Amino acid sequence: GAVVSQHPSRVICKSGTSVKIECRSLDFQATTMFWYRQFPKQSLMLMATSNEGSKATYEQGVEKDKFLINHASLTLSTLTVTSAHPEDSSFYICSARGGPGTSDTQYFGPGTRLTVL
Amino acid sequence: QKEVEQNSGPLSVPEGAIASLNCTYSDRGSQSFFWYRQYSGKSPELIMFIYSNGDKEDGRFTAQLNKASQYVSLLIRDSQPSDSATYLCAVPPLSGGYNKLIFGAGTRLAVHP
Repeated sequence: GAVVSQHPSRVICKSGTSVKIECRSLDFQATTMFWYRQFPKQSLMLMATSNEGSKATYEQGVEKDKFLINHASLTLSTLTVTSAHPEDSSFYICSARGGPGTSDTQYFGPGTRLTVL
Repeated sequence: QKEVEQNSGPLSVPEGAIASLNCTYSDRGSQSFFWYRQYSGKSPELIMFIYSNGDKEDGRFTAQLNKASQYVSLLIRDSQPSDSATYLCAVPPLSGGYNKLIFGAGTRLAVHP
């Protein structure tokens, strides 16, 4: 158990467009979902935390109007990168909490590689 | 002081040896500790978690926790080239809500044949 999926796995878009990334917990209800970003050879950076039905909590320095997060159900969270620019090109990874293990255990999706031209 | 610290490595070990990965944390009240493995270009995957002092074994992996020293380690026995990856230590902060995890920067392990 504890499978998290992400879609799409890879996306290439033009500068100025918006991109939506979906994160789903497939076999458990995720009480909380997290969105991370990782640049090449750098550490995971937490962008925001979201609970179903409430507004996301963004980490310091992350623009909430640029990275829109919707957590519509206990199994689905979406991240929309609005007006994407080349500097937004990165590996975006979601994780979900609420599966087997301790209450803090996070299970990661496979990630979405975003390239903005 | 960073909340979770790891030596960035690379830690190079020969195939068949024991790899020892270390992590220190700053929050003395932390209760649970996680080890994740991340292959290059992939997302992290959970190896194991530990919340009691002492050792916890799972196959070739052993997590060791010493709360008095604020130290958690991961031992990999009989290291294989397929174990070559970055290993991330993670600890939930006592403050900050939503049970998020604070990740260390990771230690890169290279197992050479």
